[in-house]
Amino acid sequence: EVQLLESGGGLVQPGGSLRLSCAASGFTFSSYAMSWVRQAPGKGLECVSGISGSGDSTYYADSVKGRFTISRDNSMNTLYLQVNSLRAEDTAVYYCVKDLTVVVPPSILDYWGQGTLVTVSS
Amino acid sequence: EIVMTQSPATLSVSPGERATLSCRASQSVSSKLAWYQQKPGQAPRLLIYAASTRASGIPARFSGSGSGTEFTLTISSLQSEDFAVYYCQHYNNWPGFGQGTKVEIK
Repeated sequence: EVQLLESGGGLVQPGGSLRLSCAASGFTFSSYAMSWVRQAPGKGLECVSGISGSGDSTYYADSVKGRFTISRDNSMNTLYLQVNSLRAEDTAVYYCVKDLTVVVPPSILDYWGQGTLVTVSS
Repeated sequence: EIVMTQSPATLSVSPGERATLSCRASQSVSSKLAWYQQKPGQAPRLLIYAASTRASGIPARFSGSGSGTEFTLTISSLQSEDFAVYYCQHYNNWPGFGQGTKVEIK
């Protein structure tokens, strides 16, 4: 059974940083691209970043480029998202998502974690 | 940027009835289109990809059609567990989501 367990969310002040983590199990982690998709409270879905199975290709939405960094540790089956220079508009639930393919940009998002809430507020 | 527009915003349907949801892309995405279901407090779940391929474990009452710029998700006979928000998503280059259609009980 595929399981994705996010952690690392919380309350942070504007301009602050967090590191989100996602522990994956139930599949061959390095064989699939992974993504982070966020959802602001009461709003729709936005894919913010994706990384290939090998980790050598990454993609970012324009809204987070230069502030967020995606990475993965295939030996630990873990996905990360370093989020810096946070703004109020980054407040959202951040989902760790498995892709059906190994390459990026993100495409078919077939398994989702339960999400971790990031709140940016003073 | 490809903009995805879903209609209607809210669809009121009685259990057992058919529901038809629409999704339009601002330019052609070929068949690179997926549908997701999201229930309150839960993560989205993949229903359909490649416009018409059901994901693993998805019941046959869910079907997708279309190509290019016009797509449809049909739920043939609504069950109580199908009342939720449905999102379409293209994956022609950087992925983009529609704003969602809420299917509610009539």
